[in-house]
Amino acid sequence: ETGVTQTPRHLVMGMTNKKSLKCEQHLGHNAMYWYKQSAKKPLELMFVYNFKEQTENNSVPSRFSPECPNSSHLFLHLHTLQPEDSALYLCASSQDRADSTGYEQYFGPGTRLTVT
Amino acid sequence: GNSVTQMEGPVTLSEEAFLTINCTYTATGYPSLFWYVQYPGEGLQLLLKATKADDKGSNKGFEATYRKETTSFHLEKGSVQVSDSAVYFCALSASGGSYIPTFGRGTSLIVHP
Repeated sequence: ETGVTQTPRHLVMGMTNKKSLKCEQHLGHNAMYWYKQSAKKPLELMFVYNFKEQTENNSVPSRFSPECPNSSHLFLHLHTLQPEDSALYLCASSQDRADSTGYEQYFGPGTRLTVT
Repeated sequence: GNSVTQMEGPVTLSEEAFLTINCTYTATGYPSLFWYVQYPGEGLQLLLKATKADDKGSNKGFEATYRKETTSFHLEKGSVQVSDSAVYFCALSASGGSYIPTFGRGTSLIVHP
């Protein structure tokens, strides 16, 4: 497996369920990101991890809980979601180095989440 | 702070037409600039990039030139195909400081046969 993978690709959950999204990167990168992509809205950065440490949390509600056990894996734990949380959730990774020629990101295919 | 402004879409073209999608930016320092493409049902993927002024990024027939004097990075393609139909995102990543990129809102391109 190469690049950035995400599972599941599609998820339907009720508002009282608990589920988790998984992201894995096989690129040796040290930074990982969660984004939310909703129709007609800009891409929203949710969380950033660098060397397993959370460095950004963009005022995300506590019903979203990230976990980064190592530099290759990133999880997004979901509980008590609302219908407006239905969106495409994208994971990305990048290599954060001082000598990098631009911090391009590599994205997974996303998880399409529907909250009923 | 950093920001990226893209032209509103959708852009609708016939096959073999010339494409331009405008992108301008505001940033401190000397950012790297990117174009990403998102095909239906997929995540974003890097299309091209430029890391310093006057650099031209190119890939799959698409080109963009880093214009520091006009703070622009317009995407162009001489002859679009139906398979180019996608959403295109302009982005920047500032040198030094935060490595987290700033994205534009995306421009949808629809190419008709």
